[in-house]
Amino acid sequence: DIQMTQSPSSLSVSVGDRVTIACQASQDIRDYLNWYQQKPGEAPKLLIYAASNLETGVPSRFSGSGSGTDFTFTISSLQPADIATYYCQQYDNLPITFGQGTRLEIK
Amino acid sequence: QVQLVQSGAEVKKPGASVKVSCMGLEYTFTAHYMHWVRRAPGQGLEWLGWINPNSGGTNYAQKFQGRVTMTRDTSISTAYMELSGLRSDDTAIYYCARDRRTVETPDYYYYMDVWGTGTSVTVSS
Repeated sequence: DIQMTQSPSSLSVSVGDRVTIACQASQDIRDYLNWYQQKPGEAPKLLIYAASNLETGVPSRFSGSGSGTDFTFTISSLQPADIATYYCQQYDNLPITFGQGTRLEIK
Repeated sequence: QVQLVQSGAEVKKPGASVKVSCMGLEYTFTAHYMHWVRRAPGQGLEWLGWINPNSGGTNYAQKFQGRVTMTRDTSISTAYMELSGLRSDDTAIYYCARDRRTVETPDYYYYMDVWGTGTSVTVSS
């Protein structure tokens, strides 16, 4: 199975901060990577697909980049509604695997 | 709008089975793959597998092979996930998630674009 490693696992942030989350795959996954947001008590929500494509209706402050084994997810200016846990997910090989998540909390 | 409505919370004893349902609304149920994903307390997301609602074909994560069965009833646009031999570490919220990919497309991708309401499964003696 492909292992997905996210860093950091948690992050203390302030409104307006630029937030960057890294995701590393254990092998080359091309650009077959998605990013999801999960708020407490809610289902995950697709934000970014195929590494860098913004899902319809998702604010433009969210972005993704990378290919191969190293990927980055960025929130350009954090809003209160962005407090959540973020997951990367690869689909290059089955089984689909997720990173362990990055939890954002207000400083 | 497109929705996935799941069945209610379950409490089961170790060794029992649980069957969770997921009804698809406002889209062509048989057109899109359906995934099952779980999140255990304090843990991340874990993929169990997918079902092709058109053919009934399945692909299970090896970890769950022999314990998980995914089926569907197209007459009521509902997918099912049954997990047997329950253990305490199966305690989790189980989600169904529609894939944007249609069963007819030759393109390879998996984007889970619509998620179910979630079903809490608690395994306790």
